[in-house]
Amino acid sequence: QQQVKQSPQSLIVQKGGISIINCAYENTAFDYFPWYQQFPGKGPALLIAIRPDVSEKKEGRFTISFNKSAKQFSLHIMDSQPGDSATYFCAASKPGSARQLTFGSGTQLTVLP
Amino acid sequence: SQTIHQWPATLVQPVGSPLSLECTVEGTSNPNLYWYRQAAGRGLQLLFYSVGIGQISSEVPQNLSASRPQDRQFILSSKKLLLSDSGFYLCAWRDRGRGNEKLFFGSGTQLSVL
Repeated sequence: QQQVKQSPQSLIVQKGGISIINCAYENTAFDYFPWYQQFPGKGPALLIAIRPDVSEKKEGRFTISFNKSAKQFSLHIMDSQPGDSATYFCAASKPGSARQLTFGSGTQLTVLP
Repeated sequence: SQTIHQWPATLVQPVGSPLSLECTVEGTSNPNLYWYRQAAGRGLQLLFYSVGIGQISSEVPQNLSASRPQDRQFILSSKKLLLSDSGFYLCAWRDRGRGNEKLFFGSGTQLSVL
């Protein structure tokens, strides 16, 4: 059972445009929602994260929007740059000693120059 | 500062051969440790996690096993590799303190089983 659904699978954006990636979750016990950025051949790197007590978090050009009632959250990349071309993963975890992250299936973003 | 080391970076192994991938974390103590696998163009699948020395939890029944012989060392093993074991293997760690949800990944091992 896929607990975190991510869309789109791939996304092509012009330089300077806005990239939007969406995720939906099922388990209401989730209380931590990070986004990871992964370049080819590298491990994922934590980009930005949010907890459900806020509806939006912004760090530079990256913003997470969170809708608790709809069980959805999204990543917005403003002024997208070719260097942002990578695979992006949303994830979620719930309280517990292990706090395993459940990942979405990933979105391959290509920003055209 | 904390760092995570994972090796080797790439590995090509024949079917039926054994496997040992090692991961170590520096700059922290008693971390949670994780092994993930990523198939080509796919998401990350949690294979094993450990909350302490000798404590291993398996998420997916398979041909692999994990061990944690020391606090900051996590090993992924197989006695006989299958073709389906090919993939990108990632080790990750997390501080166990309350409020520390951040998960940090190593650089990964690309395993090709031929």
